[in-house]
Amino acid sequence: EAGVTQFPSHSVIEKGQTVTLRCDPISGHDNLYWYRRVMGKEIKFLLHFVKESKQDESGMPNNRFLAERTGGTYSTLKVQPAELEDSGVYFCASRGSATEAFFGQGTRLTVV
Amino acid sequence: SQKIEQNSEALNIQEGKTATLTCNYTNYSPAYLQWYRQDPGRGPVFLLLIRENEKEKRKERLKVTFDTTLKQSLFHITASQPADSATYLCAYPLAGGTSYGKLTFGQGTILTVHP
Repeated sequence: EAGVTQFPSHSVIEKGQTVTLRCDPISGHDNLYWYRRVMGKEIKFLLHFVKESKQDESGMPNNRFLAERTGGTYSTLKVQPAELEDSGVYFCASRGSATEAFFGQGTRLTVV
Repeated sequence: SQKIEQNSEALNIQEGKTATLTCNYTNYSPAYLQWYRQDPGRGPVFLLLIRENEKEKRKERLKVTFDTTLKQSLFHITASQPADSATYLCAYPLAGGTSYGKLTFGQGTILTVHP
């Protein structure tokens, strides 16, 4: 069974540009989460999808961040326009009916 | 506000010894705690979940305890091996909920097991 896949693994963009991160959850997992770890800080929750609906987006930093999960399968997280402080590692996780959440390998975003 | 702390940034031990990692929390009474392992360049991998009404949980060489009076969880790796070297994270439900995937993480403890 394939795990959670994130693409790209690394992205370097200039300040002001747009970047879109993608997450493919484990097939059949209704719950999908986005997290972020900025340098020197702990991993922090961004938002939670149940199927295609946003259940909780309380962790989203500001309106430059937009997450979507059309059709309830893969999800994208777009940052537009990117700022220097957006640099970090973005993790996606998915969960089925069990308690365990499965994380992807993360996307390292560097804004220069 | 709620806070979760792992009391060591790094822990170095000799192979064969027991590693003990600590997770403390304040201003909150979580319904459960989770422990994850993270290797460099990888995402966290779930290890164990312990609920507030459980004192201890075991899985192979791993043992987790949960003391709601001390507001503390201890994570033990017995007969440690160099392959156990990784960052270990504790986590609990965000904002007083029970949702298993919405978590607050500690900053992690880097464990190094020396041969």
